[in-house]
Amino acid sequence: DGGITQSPKYLFRKEGQNVTLSCEQNLNHDAMYWYRQDPGQGLRLIYYSQIVNDFQKGDIAEGYSVSREKKESFPLTVTSAQKNPTAFYLCASTKQGLAGDTQYFGPGTRLTVL
Amino acid sequence: AQSVTQLGSHVSVSEGALVLLRCNYSSSVPPYLFWYVQYPNQGLQLLLKYTTGATLVKGINGFEAEFKKSETSFHLTKPSAHMSDAAEYFCAVSPSNDYKLSFGAGTTVTVRA
Repeated sequence: DGGITQSPKYLFRKEGQNVTLSCEQNLNHDAMYWYRQDPGQGLRLIYYSQIVNDFQKGDIAEGYSVSREKKESFPLTVTSAQKNPTAFYLCASTKQGLAGDTQYFGPGTRLTVL
Repeated sequence: AQSVTQLGSHVSVSEGALVLLRCNYSSSVPPYLFWYVQYPNQGLQLLLKYTTGATLVKGINGFEAEFKKSETSFHLTKPSAHMSDAAEYFCAVSPSNDYKLSFGAGTTVTVRA
């Protein structure tokens, strides 16, 4: 089955640690996205990538970093500079990154900072 | 710039009753509009979308939405609620010249037996 996988499902981090969230897709999609979801706030875009080896900051990129070395993979690192990282993180992809493309979402990773 | 307002953060309906979720948007160019559903601790799933053409859009699970340009609205309806419709629903908009989606804050639907 084609789809998007995210791991781990739950992640606990101590303050001051960097953590990396995995996102893999086998849909052969060109574009990938990372969102952060907080209760009552909808989804906010962190980073997006329309092609391998290229990515752009979204609306809330501070304290996060990404890489896009392979078409299938778009890992997100939450750094110690992110002041309030506890949230639900969602990865998504679209076929070409064009207006109107349907975004397909992974199951999410819930990050908790202890 | 575009934005989305979902009226009502929580909606409670009886099983078999009409489900109506309201979404209003603002966009400086013609919009593309989406409704997504999210079950607890899961990702989002597309219910339906409007890009061009017929303004009444039918989606999965018996949902439909109508694009009304004059009212800048894209309300979601389902004639008869089922217990499995209990979830959170998000309206989203992108301008027709950009792929970036802006999401509303979401509406949680509870279905009473």
